Amino acid sequence: DQQVKQNSPSLSVQEGRISILNCDYTNSMFDYFLWYKKYPAEGPTFLISISSIKDKNEDGRFTVFLNKSAKHLSLHIVPSQPGDSAVYFCAASEGNNNDMRFGAGTRLTVKP
Amino acid sequence: DAGVTQSPTHLIKTRGQQVTLRCSPKSGHDTVSWYQQALGQGPQFIFQYYEEEERQRGNFPDRFSGHQFPNYSSELNVNALLLGDSALYLCASSLPHRGNNEQFFGPGTRLTVL
Repeated sequence: DQQVKQNSPSLSVQEGRISILNCDYTNSMFDYFLWYKKYPAEGPTFLISISSIKDKNEDGRFTVFLNKSAKHLSLHIVPSQPGDSAVYFCAASEGNNNDMRFGAGTRLTVKP
Repeated sequence: DAGVTQSPTHLIKTRGQQVTLRCSPKSGHDTVSWYQQALGQGPQFIFQYYEEEERQRGNFPDRFSGHQFPNYSSELNVNALLLGDSALYLCASSLPHRGNNEQFFGPGTRLTVL
């Protein structure tokens, strides 16, 4: 039962352009959402999060948008840099300290 | 400051065997969570340990068990290994009652079951 879905396994963008990664969820009890970045041979690292009381959260080049009615969130990276090339996981939880449900990940490639 | 460390890096076992994976949390952290990441999937929560007790558990069978030691390090044990147990096993550490955004992951142990 996949409660968090990332339907695009991969995404390729040009350096300097915007990267948009999408995530959908089915469980309406989820109220905290996170994005993690994972490089090969390393564990996932936390990137940015958003609570359901907000619809947008920004941190530098990274912005997460939440559409609760559509049960959809997206991560925008502007401008994209080659060092952003990694696998990005979307995760959701009920509250910010309960077990997280992860999507399958999207591999982002940023071309110079 | 060492982050979360896991051992071994890779492991090969055969069906029916038992395996023990180890995790040392980030300095100052006393809560350890374990995740299974199968190929092409995201991490799945197995369980979390705090004060040497299992605090939360995901949807995994009893073949998966754990332990936390007084120094906060942790072990994940899997009995009667199945082919489907082949995965990357991730450990994450945090302080108690802190958010998921404050979990730090280790690099994982790659388990292959033949």
